[in-house]
Amino acid sequence: GAVVSQHPSRVICKSGTSVKIECRSLDFQATTMFWYRQFPKQSLMLMATSNEGSKATYEQGVEKDKFLINHASLTLSTLTVTSAHPEDSSFYICSARDGNGWQYFGPGTRLTVL
Amino acid sequence: GQNIDQPTEMTATEGAIVQINCTYQTSGFNGLFWYQQHAGEAPTFLSYNVLDGLEEKGRFSSFLSRSKGYSYLLLKELQMKDSASYLCAVRVIGGATNKLIFGTGTLLAVQP
Repeated sequence: GAVVSQHPSRVICKSGTSVKIECRSLDFQATTMFWYRQFPKQSLMLMATSNEGSKATYEQGVEKDKFLINHASLTLSTLTVTSAHPEDSSFYICSARDGNGWQYFGPGTRLTVL
Repeated sequence: GQNIDQPTEMTATEGAIVQINCTYQTSGFNGLFWYQQHAGEAPTFLSYNVLDGLEEKGRFSSFLSRSKGYSYLLLKELQMKDSASYLCAVRVIGGATNKLIFGTGTLLAVQP
């Protein structure tokens, strides 16, 4: 089946620094990828839709200048959390959509901001 | 707006059957998915319904009624390893692309 990877799996950073998370589709091309955030004991919240070669579409309430998304190729999307603060600590999950419309999820990245 | 509701928690006994309900009010419905998620892991796909009716897949079945905005996931012959969160997600048509919106999630505890 289709595989999506994320890197890093865990990251701890100091408040005020920026963190980049990579999402890769390993065996298929994905013109569209999605970024979700999940706080403890809550469900996945869609943050943005990442489109290859164009600007990302952000959900209401998500700051596009804080969560920078780049989808430079058909197999890679990156999410950069800029000037991270403790309230940004969360589980970030990406998913990639294949040509048939199915979404495959990455294993997630646990971000802790001290 | 999009609204997808599930019970927060459920408890069931090993070997029994449990039904997890999901109600939704969304615009541009284009299919409903059920996922299983263990703590700290990504969701794994369980089932997909786009037409009304029941889809059976081994111990798991999922039902959809589009007119009622209602779905359920049925788990049979429960096992301890079925203890997890179960997420209902609706695929909606949003602008130029479809996107998957998740419900609140149901934490299922299977007891001996």
